[in-house]
Amino acid sequence: DQQVKQNSPSLSVQEGRISILNCDYTNSMFDYFLWYKKYPAEGPTFLISISSIKDKNEDGRFTVFLNKSAKHLSLHIVPSQPGDSAVYFCAASDNSGGSNYKLTFGKGTLLTVNP
Amino acid sequence: NAGVMQNPRHLVRRRGQEARLRCSPMKGHSHVYWYRQLPEEGLKFMVYLQKENIIDESGMPKERFSAEFPKEGPSILRIQQVVRGDSAAYFCASSPLLAPGTTQYFGPGTRLLVL
Repeated sequence: DQQVKQNSPSLSVQEGRISILNCDYTNSMFDYFLWYKKYPAEGPTFLISISSIKDKNEDGRFTVFLNKSAKHLSLHIVPSQPGDSAVYFCAASDNSGGSNYKLTFGKGTLLTVNP
Repeated sequence: NAGVMQNPRHLVRRRGQEARLRCSPMKGHSHVYWYRQLPEEGLKFMVYLQKENIIDESGMPKERFSAEFPKEGPSILRIQQVVRGDSAAYFCASSPLLAPGTTQYFGPGTRLLVL
């Protein structure tokens, strides 16, 4: 039962262009969402998060958009840089039921930014 | 401030042996989480521990797996009588407190290969 889905296994963009990574979820109890970036042979690194009370959060080149009615979120990276090439994981948690520590991850999207 | 440390980074075991994975959380962090990533999958929650307490082990397989976080020393994830299906990357994460939206910081992982 895949509660967090990243339907694109990979994405390739040109340096300087926008990268858009998508994530869908099925559990309506999820109310906090995070994006992690992972390089090979390393652990995931926190990028940006968003609470369900917001529909947008921005941090430098990274912006996350949340559409609760569609149960969809996206991560925008602009401009994309070759160093952004990594696997990006979408994760979600339910903060209402006392298990907000339990992150549910998608399978990840491999982003390749070409020079 | 050192990040989350895990060792060993790579571990090879034969079927039936025991695997011990260690995790030292970031300084000042008292909450530890273990996740497992099978090939081509996202990370899956296994267990949440505080010092000397297992808070939630709902993601742990019922047999052969155990975890502890003693008063002194690192957290240990122990897998007895390993089987080939245990081959995966095991990630430890830590956080300073437990509150909605608290970011979990991940270690580099231990890659377990069962021959």
